Amino acid sequence: GAGVSQSPSNKVTEKGKDVELRCDPISGHTALYWYRQSLGQGLEFLIYFQGNSAPDKSGLPSDRFSAERTGGSVSTLTIQRTQQEDSAVYLCASSLSGNYGYTFGSGTRLTVV
Amino acid sequence: QKEVEQDPGPLSVPEGAIVSLNCTYSNSAFQYFMWYRQYSRKGPELLMYTYSSGNKEDGRFTAQVDKSSKYISLFIRDSQPSDSATYLCAMSGGGSNYKLTFGKGTLLTVNP
Repeated sequence: GAGVSQSPSNKVTEKGKDVELRCDPISGHTALYWYRQSLGQGLEFLIYFQGNSAPDKSGLPSDRFSAERTGGSVSTLTIQRTQQEDSAVYLCASSLSGNYGYTFGSGTRLTVV
Repeated sequence: QKEVEQDPGPLSVPEGAIVSLNCTYSNSAFQYFMWYRQYSRKGPELLMYTYSSGNKEDGRFTAQVDKSSKYISLFIRDSQPSDSATYLCAMSGGGSNYKLTFGKGTLLTVNP
């Protein structure tokens, strides 16, 4: 695609429910990242995928968070048993290997009530 | 001390003003420096990308990196109302992990 596509753009969920956030990166971009942006906070790194290598999961805040990337393309971030502190904008980005200039999607705004 | 410090503002300037945005950092391993612009309810958009120390110019935008002082700047000349956005600095140490560390962002408003 022309850009990084994320869905849904907005998600309201009840505390304790599971949610899945989807990211479709730019075609040909081998690197894919998930970041979280909370109100008044900077972007917080969550997870990084590069080609077929094992992902860097060092930023995931708890074991309720997981992510996968199928076929080196689409990625899904799953949050289980959501908590109110999970409310944030979840941003996905992709880049060519070796390129630090990411292209971000518009994000999924998650609200846990 | 956070790895990257950025004054959140808000910063309000008249149209045509020169804007200076800054970040300081503590990690001497950082080698790659970027500035992103983020409009409300949109994802960040890469503006400038610099490796190591020095200046880089692109139109009305100039990025400066001073590694000895651990200080980076973004200058916007002849600012326009369309420049109103949040500006985020970001940096990385290189190597095989391309994870970026971001500042919290500075909210800029350019008034017509």
